[in-house]
Amino acid sequence: NAGVTQTPKFQVLKTGQSMTLQCAQDMNHEYMSWYRQDPGMGLRLIHYSVGAGITDQGEVPNGYNVSRSTTEDFPLRLLSAAPSQTSVYFCASSPTRWEGTIYFGEGSWLTVV
Amino acid sequence: GQQLNQSPQSMFIQEGEDVSMNCTSSSIFNTWLWYKQDPGEGPVLLIALYKAGELTSNGRLTAQFGITRKDSFLNISASIPSDVGIYFCAGQLGTNAGKSTFGDGTTLTVKP
Repeated sequence: NAGVTQTPKFQVLKTGQSMTLQCAQDMNHEYMSWYRQDPGMGLRLIHYSVGAGITDQGEVPNGYNVSRSTTEDFPLRLLSAAPSQTSVYFCASSPTRWEGTIYFGEGSWLTVV
Repeated sequence: GQQLNQSPQSMFIQEGEDVSMNCTSSSIFNTWLWYKQDPGEGPVLLIALYKAGELTSNGRLTAQFGITRKDSFLNISASIPSDVGIYFCAGQLGTNAGKSTFGDGTTLTVKP
């Protein structure tokens, strides 16, 4: 019973490098989203998807791309990493777009040097 | 965009004491959610509120959806050491579950 699985757990990048954070859920949830959490702050929405093939921007989308080719997977791509993107990233899923219960992954700690 | 003001920012209490924290917003929400985050983990949903005035309990936790739809509070009774963590409120407007606006969190420390 995996739930929401994120990889990698920890990553160090050099400025300008690109990488993809993987997210997969095995609950057949319609809704998936990516948040970032900075020290002393709440979670801020980066991108979200209401279903396969549909994505939209959240509050802080700049510097990130997403795609949703399957219901299960929702990868987050950093195009050209910057130190300001050092953060903890959480993937989340929800059964339907109207369901308030959001299930979070365990987080991915990203450091950009 | 919408902003949530969550207070207090941190609390240091003695085991057995009751705790109260709240969130206020300048705009209305249709849903209020309360999460707890343990170190190194993702947030876990504690209570969801869907109706103005609603009062909901989950064990020692009680939360209320304010009548004005611009605020919510969370109470924890008889705190125990495992209550330690960061508590987040989140508001949702409309029917979009994942488009939640989060407060900055209340860090709770419980002294045995």
